[in-house]
Order: sequence, then C-alpha cells, then structure tokens
Amino acid sequence: GQQVMQIPQYQHVQEGEDFTTYCNSSTTLSNIQWYKQRPGGHPVFLIQLVKSGEVKKQKRLTFQFGEAKKNSSLHITATQTTDVGTYFCAGENTGTASKLTFGTGTRLQVTL
Amino acid sequence: KAGVTQTPRYLIKTRGQQVTLSCSPISGHRSVSWYQQTPGQGLQFLFEYFSETQRNKGNFPGRFSGRQFSNSRSEMNVSTLELGDSALYLCASSFAQGGSPLHFGNGTRLTVT
Repeated sequence: GQQVMQIPQYQHVQEGEDFTTYCNSSTTLSNIQWYKQRPGGHPVFLIQLVKSGEVKKQKRLTFQFGEAKKNSSLHITATQTTDVGTYFCAGENTGTASKLTFGTGTRLQVTL
Repeated sequence: KAGVTQTPRYLIKTRGQQVTLSCSPISGHRSVSWYQQTPGQGLQFLFEYFSETQRNKGNFPGRFSGRQFSNSRSEMNVSTLELGDSALYLCASSFAQGGSPLHFGNGTRLTVT
C-alpha cells in the first residue's frame, strides 16, 4: 500500500533559525496537503498543493510539490515559538481510492 | 460555524469491553473520516463515510466498525477492546469526498486497562 515518509522525525531549533521538513511518497499523488498539530491539539489544515512543481507561500511558510508529484517540502523561515508542533503531510492517490495517507510527521521544537 | 464535535473527550474502558465514539461534522459536510493516533504509529486511517456509505477502509481488524447517519453524524465502534487500542481517535469532516481539506475534531482519548 501507499506509504508516506517524513524526515526528520524531530528537529529542535533556536528561534530565528530556519526549518525544513521533507515528505516522500511511494506512489504518485493527485494532491498533497499539510497539517499542523500543536501539542495537545488536533491537526489543522494548512494548505493543499495540486500541480506538479507547485510552490505556495503563507507568510514565513513555503510549500513545494515535486515535479514527479511524489515528494513535497515545507520550509519555515525565521522560526518563532508559535511554530512549535508536529507537521504532517498527507497524500492522496491518483487512483480511485480517495483516502488521505498521512506522513509520519515532523515534530518541531523552538526555543528562545 | 461550529466545528467538528467529538464525544466523549475521554474514556477509560477495560479489556474485552466495547466502546462507541460519536462525531458530528461541520454543517454541510457530508464526508466523515476516522483516524487513530498513537505515539508510535502516527495517524492511521480507519475508514471514511460519505452519504451513509463506507467509501474507504484502512487496515484495521473487524473489531473496528463505523456508520454514518442521514444527518452525516458518524459513530465508530470498537468491540472486544485490547490494550493496544488505547489511542486518540480523531474524526474529520470534509465538504466532499476526495481532495477536500479535512477539519478535525478534538478527538476522543481512549484508555484501555
């Protein structure tokens, strides 16, 4: 079945440093979504990428979808303590089954 | 607009018992998905319902079942509970099936002793 891996599993940065998490799928995706889960909270939708090579920005966050639509990345510029949480990518197959497969997640810790 | 509501928030059960969890989606959302979240396994897909029909099912044993009602509310049931079923169970609703962003509830924390 489809597998979605994320690296790193965990990253600890100092406030102001940049952060990147990478997402890789074993199969080609129709779209990829990114979610953020704060400690003790539930996943919250951030963005969806659909087109090959697509790049989207949300303030300090930059999301990319690979040309082959099998990988994606989330880059945060100048992290803040409010960025703390676990970031999940979630990929949807190009086949008829429309379930989202979540990545393993990257937990980000930001200290002053 | 009210978000996704899951009840109860916390539950403690004993091995062998059964449990039913409830989820009320955002008004107008017809798709409801269930996920199991554990520290070791991350977010694992259980099943998805759309218009009262199960559209997708994850790799969980038959002890895990669900249903959706005509008002889009959904329930999931776990029978013969095992210690390994202890987890956060998250329900998510979306406007349409496939491709739509998921809106998660706060989850039900199930502890099996």
